[in-house]
Amino acid sequence: QSALTQPPSASGSPGQSVTISCTGTSSDIGGYNSVSWYQQHPGKAPKVIIYAVTKRPSGVPERFSASKSGNTASLTVSGLQVEDEADYYCCSYGGTTTWVFGTGTKVTVL
Amino acid sequence: QVQLQEAGPGLVNPSETLSLTCTVSGGSMSGYYWSWIRQPAGKGLEWIGRIYSNGSSNHNPSLKRRVTMSVDTSKNQFSLKLESVTAADTAVYFCARNAFDIWGRGTMVTVSS
Repeated sequence: QSALTQPPSASGSPGQSVTISCTGTSSDIGGYNSVSWYQQHPGKAPKVIIYAVTKRPSGVPERFSASKSGNTASLTVSGLQVEDEADYYCCSYGGTTTWVFGTGTKVTVL
Repeated sequence: QVQLQEAGPGLVNPSETLSLTCTVSGGSMSGYYWSWIRQPAGKGLEWIGRIYSNGSSNHNPSLKRRVTMSVDTSKNQFSLKLESVTAADTAVYFCARNAFDIWGRGTMVTVSS
């Protein structure tokens, strides 16, 4: 069970958009609609911002959106704000009752 | 509002067993899965395993047979035991509910003599 692949870093200026990819296989991302995304600020626990591929929990701003195509999931943060600077992790059901996280992407707001 | 809190020794000797407990407050454990996830310093998240409220469990195959989990719904707690630890097991350990919708704050565990 290998970690899902994310770019190590992404950046954008306030107000811009940034998109983070998360690449897996047909055994995880491609095989199930169980992709979630987490935002983690330094020294804090991760917080779910997307679940079931595209759904936003109550309280998560609409500028966070996500999608999936084949074995790759994507998270887009539109209208970047300073507080969006954080690490972002994807996660997918990996079959055989296991879960796998992505390698993580550090988003910097320039 | 459901909250989770991890507890356990911050320092474990190599080759010994790491034991952690997660206490659930503000809600029932019944009908949910309860997971353990860890994060080495400066690195990504790793799913360790999960246990259902009825006691059935699954774990990350990469940890082989070192993982044991248990649940005590009467105490609103679930636990993790990781055997034969090495320095590679040094990490912040988080507990979480279901597909990780609620997380504890995490507890740092260092494996060192």
